[in-house]
Amino acid sequence: EVQLVESGGAVLRPGGSLRLSCAASGFNFDDYGMTWVRQAPGKGLEWVSAINWNGVSTGHADSLKGRFTISRDNAKNSLYLQMNSLRVEDTAFYHCARVILGHCDGDTCWGYFDSWGQGTLVTVSS
Amino acid sequence: EIVMTQSPATLSVSPGERATLSCRASQSVSNNLAWYQQKPGQVLRLLIYGASTRATGIPARFSGSGSGTEFTLTISSLQSEDFAVYYCQQYNNWPSFGGGTKVEIK
Repeated sequence: EVQLVESGGAVLRPGGSLRLSCAASGFNFDDYGMTWVRQAPGKGLEWVSAINWNGVSTGHADSLKGRFTISRDNAKNSLYLQMNSLRVEDTAFYHCARVILGHCDGDTCWGYFDSWGQGTLVTVSS
Repeated sequence: EIVMTQSPATLSVSPGERATLSCRASQSVSNNLAWYQQKPGQVLRLLIYGASTRATGIPARFSGSGSGTEFTLTISSLQSEDFAVYYCQQYNNWPSFGGGTKVEIK
């Protein structure tokens, strides 16, 4: 059974940094791309970042303006999200999900998300 | 960025009735569209991918249609467990989600 368990959520002041983790099990982690999606309390889903199977290719939402970095450690079956210069509007549940590739344009591929974690809450407040 | 718009925001339906949810893309996404279900306290669930292919284990009462910019998720006969929020997501380019449709009991 595929399991994704996020951790690392916390309460922070604006300007702070945080690293989230996602522990994967039940599948060959290094066969899949992975992604982070966030959801502000009571709001909809917002795609944050994605990484391919070996970590060489990544993508981030333009709205993040380079503040977040996605990475992975296939030896540890783990996905990470480094978040810097946090803002009040970054307050959200952060979910990791497994990517199933569905469409490629040249060397870049995108997909849908077939397995999700429960999420970890990041609260940014002054 | 491809903007996804879902309508209506809330849909009130009686159990056993049909529910029709709409999703519109700001530019063509071909058939690179997925639908998800979210219920309180539960993990997000993939329902449909490729605009019309049901994911593993999804009941046949869920069906997806459309291509290009207009898509529909239909729940043919609503069961109690189907009252939830539904999101569409395009993956023709960097992913983006619609704002969601809440299906509530009428």
